[in-house]
Amino acid sequence: DAGVTQSPTHLIKTRGQQVTLRCSPKSGHDTVSWYQQALGQGPQFIFQYYEEEERQRGNFPDRFSGHQFPNYSSELNVNALLLGDSALYLCASSYNRGPYEKLFFGSGTQLSVL
Amino acid sequence: GNSVTQMEGPVTLSEEAFLTINCTYTATGYPSLFWYVQYPGEGLQLLLKATKADDKGSNKGFEATYRKETTSFHLEKGSVQVSDSAVYFCALSLTPFSGGYNKLIFGAGTRLAVHP
Repeated sequence: DAGVTQSPTHLIKTRGQQVTLRCSPKSGHDTVSWYQQALGQGPQFIFQYYEEEERQRGNFPDRFSGHQFPNYSSELNVNALLLGDSALYLCASSYNRGPYEKLFFGSGTQLSVL
Repeated sequence: GNSVTQMEGPVTLSEEAFLTINCTYTATGYPSLFWYVQYPGEGLQLLLKATKADDKGSNKGFEATYRKETTSFHLEKGSVQVSDSAVYFCALSLTPFSGGYNKLIFGAGTRLAVHP
């Protein structure tokens, strides 16, 4: 059983460009969350998707947007990249069965903005 | 606001030493508390959790007790191994009554290095 898979694993972009990161949740999971982990910091919540809708959002600008597809996979889009967007982007999936559902994390996409 | 504060690392120990990593939190409402571990090149893995005051989470020899009176959730292990070398993150999640359904708020992480 595959866990949470993310692609690509590494990405290099320049300032002002746009990027799309992809996530396939663990089999059976219907809820996907995205986190940004800057170097030496803990992950910060970006947003969460359930039933193809954004259910919650953290303190991130509108340049960060997402999408969830009918098969529960998800994309994270970042427009007008800034140097400060360089980070490890983590996807986490879970069942939508309650607040204590265990989150499963992917290995992340390392984004470098030059 | 809601936040988690962890002791700064790195923590360097010899094999079989006792480990404590301090974690305190600030939260509105009734959070659940977690410890996650991140091994090099891997995603975060849930190590243990506690969902209410005085609960003790435990896994793989690690333990942490939810202390509401001191707003703490310190991680302990009696005898560390080289394979425990990783970054450890303390986190909280708010119950639906307080909002933040299954949204984690993480501390900055504490790097543990265990030497033979």
